[in-house]
Amino acid sequence: SYVLTQPPSVSVAPGQTASITCGGNNIGGQSVHWYQQKPGQAPVLVVYDDSDRPSGIPERFSGSNSENTATLTISRVEAGDEADYYCQVWETGSGLDVFGGGTRLTVL
Amino acid sequence: QITLRESGPVPVKPTETLTLTCTFSGFSLTSSGVGVGWIRQPPGRALEWLGIIYWNDDKDYSPSVKSRLTITKDTSKNQVVLTMTNLDPVDTATYYCAHRYSTWGPFDYWGQGHLVTVSS
Repeated sequence: SYVLTQPPSVSVAPGQTASITCGGNNIGGQSVHWYQQKPGQAPVLVVYDDSDRPSGIPERFSGSNSENTATLTISRVEAGDEADYYCQVWETGSGLDVFGGGTRLTVL
Repeated sequence: QITLRESGPVPVKPTETLTLTCTFSGFSLTSSGVGVGWIRQPPGRALEWLGIIYWNDDKDYSPSVKSRLTITKDTSKNQVVLTMTNLDPVDTATYYCAHRYSTWGPFDYWGQGHLVTVSS
């Protein structure tokens, strides 16, 4: 089965840039989606199709995807960005969905 | 405005069958490409995709639960039903249903989640 690997945690100071990676075999050939989940809440889509943003999501959230790594980048990090972030793909080989293990973003 | 809401029992005993209902509004599960998926999250752990049903009644299931999981839809009631047999305490989790607009698309709208506790 297809596996997506994320670092368990990332820490960043306010105003700095956070990068959260999602590794997978030839993930560059998949469409990657990213979700933000705050404690006690349902996940919220923040980036879809590698780099598009849903309406209402700040431009500070961006994404990229190439070869074996997709990256969610959060610029000018704010305290309110502290959350768990998950990547997800619909894996073309199996036709099944997969989530990464999640990354906890801590704002120092 | 798309909304989804999960409902069902809270405590369930081991070996019992779980039935969860996702009631939705703001879209039709007869529209081409649309799907409703189920995702769960054990306490303190990561999201786990369980399965999905599409507008044309196609279904996909995670290999980890495929033998125990059935997803059905009732388009007249705007509902999707998850049935999971032979529950175990490791199935304790918050269960979410979510909307997607195409097979490879994101889960763009989520329900608030329903915590299911499996305990004797």
